[in-house]
Amino acid sequence: DQQVKQNSPSLSVQEGRISILNCDYTNSMFDYFLWYKKYPAEGPTFLISISSIKDKNEDGRFTVFLNKSAKHLSLHIVPSQPGDSAVYFCAASTSNDYKLSFGAGTTVTVRA
Amino acid sequence: DSGVTQTPKHLITATGQRVTLRCSPRSGDLSVYWYQQSLDQGLQFLIQYYNGEERAKGNILERFSAQQFPDLHSELNLSSLELGDSALYFCASSIRTGNYGYTFGSGTRLTVV
Repeated sequence: DQQVKQNSPSLSVQEGRISILNCDYTNSMFDYFLWYKKYPAEGPTFLISISSIKDKNEDGRFTVFLNKSAKHLSLHIVPSQPGDSAVYFCAASTSNDYKLSFGAGTTVTVRA
Repeated sequence: DSGVTQTPKHLITATGQRVTLRCSPRSGDLSVYWYQQSLDQGLQFLIQYYNGEERAKGNILERFSAQQFPDLHSELNLSSLELGDSALYFCASSIRTGNYGYTFGSGTRLTVV
């Protein structure tokens, strides 16, 4: 049962433009959400997170938005850079749980 | 280098065999997590250890087992291997237990032929 879904397997964006990655979840108990970035032959690396008490968190070029009523979160990358080309995973967890539930990932390609 | 070391990086073995994947957590981290990523799938949680004790279990098959040793390194044992066990196996570590964000290793790619 996939509790975290990333419905877009890939995204292509021009350098300098905005990348928007979407993620939906079904478990209303999730209260902590993370985005990870993964390059080929490397493990995922933590990018940004958000707690359910917030609806927005920003870190440099990366902003995560959370819409609890819609059970939806998104990651905005502005401006997109060639080094942002990677697979992005959305993950979610509950306060009392020790595991992260991951989406299947979105492959972002930034075109020069 | 994330500080989490996984060996071997690649492993090719035959069906029915047994393999051991090894993970050394980042210095100071007490929690170790194992995840499996099959083709085009997200990472699936297998099991977590904290300071030598099993803390949580996910969808880990009975043919799979793990342990964390006193020096905090962990091993994931996969036995009676099937073709469907071919996947990337990631280890992650964190200083505490809970959803504080992990540091992942670069993974072990297991191919069962």
